[in-house]
Amino acid sequence: GEDVEQSLFLSVREGDSSVINCTYTDSSSTYLYWYKQEPGAGLQLLTYIFSNMDMKQDQRLTVLLNKKDKHLSLRIADTQTGDSAIYFCAEKRTDSSYKLIFGSGTRLLVRP
Amino acid sequence: DAGVTQSPTHLIKTRGQQVTLRCSPISGHKSVSWYQQVLGQGPQFIFQYYEKEERGRGNFPDRFSARQFPNYSSELNVNALLLGDSALYLCASSLVPDLQETQYFGPGTRLLVL
Repeated sequence: GEDVEQSLFLSVREGDSSVINCTYTDSSSTYLYWYKQEPGAGLQLLTYIFSNMDMKQDQRLTVLLNKKDKHLSLRIADTQTGDSAIYFCAEKRTDSSYKLIFGSGTRLLVRP
Repeated sequence: DAGVTQSPTHLIKTRGQQVTLRCSPISGHKSVSWYQQVLGQGPQFIFQYYEKEERGRGNFPDRFSARQFPNYSSELNVNALLLGDSALYLCASSLVPDLQETQYFGPGTRLLVL
């Protein structure tokens, strides 16, 4: 998605924290999402944040939103080998379809 | 409860052929969206349907069409297949097409065009 950008690759050691970053362009976006995709599978919803929030925490996941800079990040604490996957951020457009605009995905590799 | 289901899981076609992909939403969900995910990229929006009406269309040629049935299931049709149509086709459902409603994705149909 040309309007949502992510870094392509991140490698971390098991037990460390992972931080995946995303920038978006539509200032009217109100909901932002993180999805996880494992090899050969569909998209699994991890978490989302509403634009009137700065932070949302859900177990090992922490989402930070900087609306001024249109920057979104996903922090995974105590990263496990099972977290190895592609992570997509997505913004929801506010037209009648409320379609999702996705980034190209960040491949996370967790080393033992 | 069953999640979003799609069929078939895999499909191989040749250039010029036509293909129909099917999606059943989560029980109670009335809105279905289709996305195309080319290898190495994020999903791209194709269509959204709600109450059998098209609510949105992405930047795809007229070879792509879809419909939604009274039971809220949906079909995506692609005519005159091109090599570039090879992709994972994802279906997502939500209760209604609304700002606050989350879209849940199925496992996808992987289409290979030879």
